[in-house]
Amino acid sequence: AQTVTQSQPEMSVQEAETVTLSCTYDTSESDYYLFWYKQPPSRQMILVIRQEAYKQQNATENRFSVNFQKAAKSFSLKISDSQLGDAAMYFCALGNRDDKIIFGKGTRLHILP
Amino acid sequence: GAVVSQHPSWVICKSGTSVKIECRSLDFQATTMFWYRQFPKQSLMLMATSNEGSKATYEQGVEKDKFLINHASLTLSTLTVTSAHPEDSSFYICSASTGRSTEAFFGQGTRLTVV
Repeated sequence: AQTVTQSQPEMSVQEAETVTLSCTYDTSESDYYLFWYKQPPSRQMILVIRQEAYKQQNATENRFSVNFQKAAKSFSLKISDSQLGDAAMYFCALGNRDDKIIFGKGTRLHILP
Repeated sequence: GAVVSQHPSWVICKSGTSVKIECRSLDFQATTMFWYRQFPKQSLMLMATSNEGSKATYEQGVEKDKFLINHASLTLSTLTVTSAHPEDSSFYICSASTGRSTEAFFGQGTRLTVV
């Protein structure tokens, strides 16, 4: 069975500061993908960043970067220079070649002005 | 990115009636579509996977006779909640994939309220 665990139900960060959201996963697949999705109050799922498991280099998208530790099955998201618009629910997710995606329970991120 | 449209955005129905939710891929052909359910302040729970032209595959614990899924074309999948009850009230989200990019594109979701 595949699982995704997010141990931080809520986090807060001061505007312009850096915050790291944690995620661990478990899978027996050798070919898989990891994602961070953002869900704002509109509830539209927005892809923040994606990492292919076979790539050693950590993915980066502007202010968003990941720390992918394959052996530890850890996939954390770092948000730099936090902005008020970053406030949302963040879901870590695990996907396979068949595009089936399993989500963690989410971390609600608050940005303090 | 690719666009997935879900309709309706919200619906209220009476207990005992059926309601259909549509999921359309607007600018690509979706070989596979997925249906999720999200309870308030909780995660997305995968309900079923549908492939065009074949029967849907349901996750364990999901009643296939309650949640009918049809994927009749490469751009449309429908979820019908049959004989709806208040406990079926939830937020339902679909996603669609091309089968090539290993990325799924999400619809905007449907809030179902059964009264």
